[in-house]
Amino acid sequence: AQSVTQLGSHVSVSEGALVLLRCNYSSSVPPYLFWYVQYPNQGLQLLLKYTSAATLVKGINGFEAEFKKSETSFHLTKPSAHMSDAAEYFCAVSQNQFYFGTGTSLTVIP
Amino acid sequence: NAGVTQTPKFQVLKTGQSMTLQCAQDMNHEYMSWYRQDPGMGLRLIHYSVGAGITDQGEVPNGYNVSRSTTEDFPLRLLSAAPSQTSVYFCASSGIIPGPSGIGELFFGEGSRLTVL
Repeated sequence: AQSVTQLGSHVSVSEGALVLLRCNYSSSVPPYLFWYVQYPNQGLQLLLKYTSAATLVKGINGFEAEFKKSETSFHLTKPSAHMSDAAEYFCAVSQNQFYFGTGTSLTVIP
Repeated sequence: NAGVTQTPKFQVLKTGQSMTLQCAQDMNHEYMSWYRQDPGMGLRLIHYSVGAGITDQGEVPNGYNVSRSTTEDFPLRLLSAAPSQTSVYFCASSGIIPGPSGIGELFFGEGSRLTVL
């Protein structure tokens, strides 16, 4: 079975600083990879997805992620954090089932 | 286009009561699933279905039943509620795609918050 590891259950950044949320997966076959965002008391919505096309994927709200097969990683970045980015972020892998990481809570400090 | 609709949004039960969480999608998705979300544990798969008449267990199926009589609906039944089932429940659906991944993007409902006293 797949496993998805998100390093850091809580990340704090200052407004305007770089956001980096880490995700590693375990698979010998490149899966489909996703980042979802969850705002308080809401469901999950898709930020971006990798489906074996370009390795650098751009998503909504200025986020992007790079698929690195050699490192089995799919880290999420945003050059400049905004207060509205405060949320829970989930990395996920699709390989016959969806496998989610345990999530990273992002706090943005004004 | 409603997407994935879950009802109820909130529910309080007493231990031993039974109830059904409803989930409906209008995207003609073959794949439907139920997750529970608990603090620090991410989302855990309860049951899933790849089409009408086909269901299977996920990671934490005990205490829950599902059925899939139509493509659109995938209800989750709690047979005898326990405090350990206090959680937020999410229904999600996706199209099934060819290739090793099998499942495309998951579309989520807004969640059902269940408290068992």
